[in-house]
Amino acid sequence: DSGVTQTPKHLITATGQRVTLRCSPRSGDLSVYWYQQSLDQGLQFLIQYYNGEERAKGNILERFSAQQFPDLHSELNLSSLELGDSALYFCASSAMTNTEAFFGQGTRLTVV
Amino acid sequence: AQSVTQLGSHVSVSEGALVLLRCNYSSSVPPYLFWYVQYPNQGLQLLLKYTSAATLVKGINGFEAEFKKSETSFHLTKPSAHMSDAAEYFCAVSDSAGGTSYGKLTFGQGTILTVHP
Repeated sequence: DSGVTQTPKHLITATGQRVTLRCSPRSGDLSVYWYQQSLDQGLQFLIQYYNGEERAKGNILERFSAQQFPDLHSELNLSSLELGDSALYFCASSAMTNTEAFFGQGTRLTVV
Repeated sequence: AQSVTQLGSHVSVSEGALVLLRCNYSSSVPPYLFWYVQYPNQGLQLLLKYTSAATLVKGINGFEAEFKKSETSFHLTKPSAHMSDAAEYFCAVSDSAGGTSYGKLTFGQGTILTVHP
């Protein structure tokens, strides 16, 4: 158990809908990262938050957004969903003193 | 910009044989390098990391990797494969200047390891 909790584990929704994925980082970790894993693109970095502020952006679509709340949990919002958004979405967290990120179990999103 | 190339999307070995998974990186700054393992329907687990200390890094489950700057490589090895090693393995690189960005990783495409009895 990495200490990073993601909910829900599975999500099935229709095209055009909006969903929210939730992540609770390890206790004390200030950084949260979101990654997308798909067969086409592999594992790709989406976005990073550090202590509530956006710190880095990767290949994140404009239809996607994220935020980190004062209690440090994070949410990834995906809107106007398309079939191609079906993927495994991972959250990871790290502390400044750590040189690695710890990953959650992921949320498997299926868009039908 | 950083990138990682994993040579071989599938590697098959017999139980007890040497495991060698290849990873080459490209980085404009001194890199931090990682190997993660992903078992079916699970998240990513860190196997080992290189962060500019010893070039030969030992990880969990008997795995080790050697950082070779001249070859820009960070290959993962295990002397004797076990059935439980069957999984997908990812090499990743991050910027060593990271600080608050240590977890911003660039991953390779992954190598699926199959272990035959």
